[in-house]
Amino acid sequence: KAGVTQTPRYLIKTRGQQVTLSCSPISGHRSVSWYQQTPGQGLQFLFEYFSETQRNKGNFPGRFSGRQFSNSRSEMNVSTLELGDSALYLCASSQGQGQGYGYTFGSGTRLTVV
Amino acid sequence: GENVEQHPSTLSVQEGDSAVIKCTYSDSASNYFPWYKQELGKRPQLIIDIRSNVGEKKDQRIAVTLNKTAKHFSLHITETQPEDSAVYFCAAKFGGTSYGKLTFGQGTILTVHP
Repeated sequence: KAGVTQTPRYLIKTRGQQVTLSCSPISGHRSVSWYQQTPGQGLQFLFEYFSETQRNKGNFPGRFSGRQFSNSRSEMNVSTLELGDSALYLCASSQGQGQGYGYTFGSGTRLTVV
Repeated sequence: GENVEQHPSTLSVQEGDSAVIKCTYSDSASNYFPWYKQELGKRPQLIIDIRSNVGEKKDQRIAVTLNKTAKHFSLHITETQPEDSAVYFCAAKFGGTSYGKLTFGQGTILTVHP
């Protein structure tokens, strides 16, 4: 079974630009979550999608957005990039919502904003 | 609010010793507690998880204990090996409007010296 696939693996962008990251969950997984990982803040929850609907959102500005498609693939977008957006962005998929389901992480997209 | 505190932030042990990492959580409605291991440059990998209807779970050299009354859970690694060196994250899945969201502790850097 293929794991969670994130593309691209690395990105370098300039301040003010926008970026779109992609996540393909494990086959059959319907829930996709996004996390930002930085050395100072650890793993911070961005948002979660289930059945194409955003179910939860973390404390990030509106520049961070996402969506989920009917095949459960998800994208996240960051507009008007700032230097502080440099981070590892991790996607995780799960079979479903609810407290009984665990998450499997992808390898992440390393975003560098210069 | 939803909070997970993890201690210690760094842990250094000799090969063969045991290592214990502790986490406390804020929401008594939480009932799913995973532990992730992240090696340098790699994705977080689920190593063990526990649900609230179980007080302890073991998988070879790794065990997790849960005390719901005190709202804390711990990771125990016995007979540590150099390949156990990594960052370990605890997490809790909170209920209510955070139904599908994992909140992570700040991580513990475990170093096992040969």
